[in-house]
Amino acid sequence: AQSVAQPEDQVNVAEGNPLTVKCTYSVSGNPYLFWYVQYPNRGLQFLLKYITGDNLVKGSYGFEAEFNKSQTSFHLKKPSALVSDSALYFCAVREGFTGGGNKLTFGTGTQLKVEL
Amino acid sequence: DGGITQSPKYLFRKEGQNVTLSCEQNLNHDAMYWYRQDPGQGLRLIYYSQIVNDFQKGDIAEGYSVSREKKESFPLTVTSAQKNPTAFYLCASRTGRSPSSYNEQFFGPGTRLTVL
Repeated sequence: AQSVAQPEDQVNVAEGNPLTVKCTYSVSGNPYLFWYVQYPNRGLQFLLKYITGDNLVKGSYGFEAEFNKSQTSFHLKKPSALVSDSALYFCAVREGFTGGGNKLTFGTGTQLKVEL
Repeated sequence: DGGITQSPKYLFRKEGQNVTLSCEQNLNHDAMYWYRQDPGQGLRLIYYSQIVNDFQKGDIAEGYSVSREKKESFPLTVTSAQKNPTAFYLCASRTGRSPSSYNEQFFGPGTRLTVL
């Protein structure tokens, strides 16, 4: 079975400071990892994904994530936070094999609050 | 949210009534998904469909039903058997273009269902 943990319900950071939103995963085989962002009463927007290759993945809006196989982590990062980054962030994982409907397992989400 | 529409945005239902949530996509995607979102629980998969006229149960299918008669449409019916239907419902789709397992899901704007 696959699972995702987002250990922090909320992360607070000052505008201009770097931010990190943590994610750890568990899968039997190779993981495919995704980050999504959700603004209030909206659907999820895709930010970035790791499939294979370079462990540092760059995505939308200046976000990046680092895949660490030994620590089974895929933390989301941004060098300089903006107030407009305040939103709910979800990490998701699926096992890297065909079949199974490409089902994603989502974490419980981390609320990011960026303050002036 | 581009390319996937969900209607209505808000829906109120009396106990004991069935209600159908609409999901339409114009992205020519093969796979479609229904998720339920509750505060602090992330997204949970209700049903998914990889091709027309075929669908599979997700993790919390009890009290729900779906159909996939057209590629563009994947309506979800919340039946009176669903004990706690008040939630935010999200529809998603994904291209089946190979390798399909690499591809992220695109989400609609969601429907908020409230049982009165």
